[in-house]
Amino acid sequence: DVVLTQSPLSSPVILGQPASISCRSSQSLVHSDGNTYLSWLHQRPGQPPRLLIYQISRRFSGVPDRFSGSGAGTDFTLKISRVEPEDVGTFYCTQGTRFPWTFGQGTKVEIK
Amino acid sequence: QVHLVESGGGVVQPGGSLRLSCAASGFGFSGHGMHWARQGPGTGLEWVAYISWGAKATEFGASVRGRFSISRDDSTNTVFLQMDSLRVEDTAVYFCVKEFSTGWTLDFWGQGTQVTVSS
Repeated sequence: DVVLTQSPLSSPVILGQPASISCRSSQSLVHSDGNTYLSWLHQRPGQPPRLLIYQISRRFSGVPDRFSGSGAGTDFTLKISRVEPEDVGTFYCTQGTRFPWTFGQGTKVEIK
Repeated sequence: QVHLVESGGGVVQPGGSLRLSCAASGFGFSGHGMHWARQGPGTGLEWVAYISWGAKATEFGASVRGRFSISRDDSTNTVFLQMDSLRVEDTAVYFCVKEFSTGWTLDFWGQGTQVTVSS
């Protein structure tokens, strides 16, 4: 199975400052169709996850442009240019390139 | 807009069965793959099962393979998760998740239904 390893697992951040989360895959996430199905989810406490970024760097509908994704192959990064109060919660990377689909352990973002 | 409403959760003894349902609306259900994922108490996310549009293909996570099955009814826009031989470690909130139109991405999640396996 594909193992996704996120770092850091906890990130105290200052409002208005940038934040960055890394996601490393145990295998290449390039699908046989040439696309890379690595996405990022955000889960606020008590809420279901919501999709932020798909196919490494594409922002989902309604997602603020302070969120950006980058990377290739096995190394991926989610960046928040300026952390807002509503960004508190847990961020997960997830892959849909290979079954079984898998998630990273999650990175908890809290305001310092 | 997209709505996914799960039902069927509850408390069951180890070895028992439950059938979860997910009523979908707000999109062309029959043309989308559908998934179930779960989240144990205080833990991260685990992918559970998938069914393709047209129900031609299904896939399962290793921890549930052989015990869980997934099906869909496109006439009622509903996806089901049949859970048999339940174990204490299956205790979790179970989410119904829609697959994005381009495939291989989870886009919309339901609110979830709680399943507790306990004697």
